[in-house]
Amino acid sequence: DAKTTQPPSMDCAEGRAANLPCNHSTISGNEYVYWYRQIHSQGPQYIIHGLKNNETNEMASLIITEDRKSSTLILPHATLRDTAVYYCIVRLLNMLTFGGGTRLMVKP
Amino acid sequence: AAGVIQSPRHLIKEKRETATLKCYPIPRHDTVYWYQQGPGQDPQFLISFYEKMQSDKGSIPDRFSAQQFSDYHSELNMSSLELGDSALYFCASSRRQSRVDIQYFGAGTRLSVL
Repeated sequence: DAKTTQPPSMDCAEGRAANLPCNHSTISGNEYVYWYRQIHSQGPQYIIHGLKNNETNEMASLIITEDRKSSTLILPHATLRDTAVYYCIVRLLNMLTFGGGTRLMVKP
Repeated sequence: AAGVIQSPRHLIKEKRETATLKCYPIPRHDTVYWYQQGPGQDPQFLISFYEKMQSDKGSIPDRFSAQQFSDYHSELNMSSLELGDSALYFCASSRRQSRVDIQYFGAGTRLSVL
C-alpha cells in the first residue's frame, strides 16, 4: 500500500471549514484513498473514500487531484465534536495501515 | 443500525494470565479485523479473517491466536500476558466487495495487565 504524508496537527475555528491535506505520491492506479478519524480512544470511524473523482457524503467532501498524488478532506462546518485524529490511508483491500494522522483541534 | 460489538469493554489481568476478547461483526459482514493500540500510538493491525479463514497476519505475537466462528463472530485469545500487552484492542468488520472494503470499528476492549 502507498505511504501517505499528513501534517501532524491543525487548528480550525468552530463553524469554519477544515481542510486536511494528504500526500500520497506513490499511489497506484487501483488504490483507493480512505479517510478515518479517531476521537479520543474511541474506535476509528470511517468518513469517506474515493478513487479519482471527488466525493461528498453527509460527513465530508474528498477532493483528489487529477494526478491522484494528493487529496484534501473537507469538513464544511467544523464543530467541537470534530476534534480528533484524522487518518488518510491508501490501500487496495485488507488491513488498514494507520500512520501518524493529523490531530485536528477545533476551537470555539 | 447495528454496529460491531466487542466484549468485554474493560479487562484487568495479571501477568502470565490469559484473556479472551470477543467481537460480533455487523450482520452480513464476512470479514473481521483485529487491531491493537498502545498508549499514545496509532492502531496496528494484528490479524484478519475472511469467511472464517485467516486472511492476513500482521504484528501479532505468537502468544496470541484468533479465530472466526461459523456465526462470523471472532475471538482473540491472548496467553502469557505481559505488561506490554496493555492496550486498546479494536475489532472491525466489513463486507468485502470488489475493490472496496469499508471497515467499521467497535468501541474496543481496554486491556490492563498488572
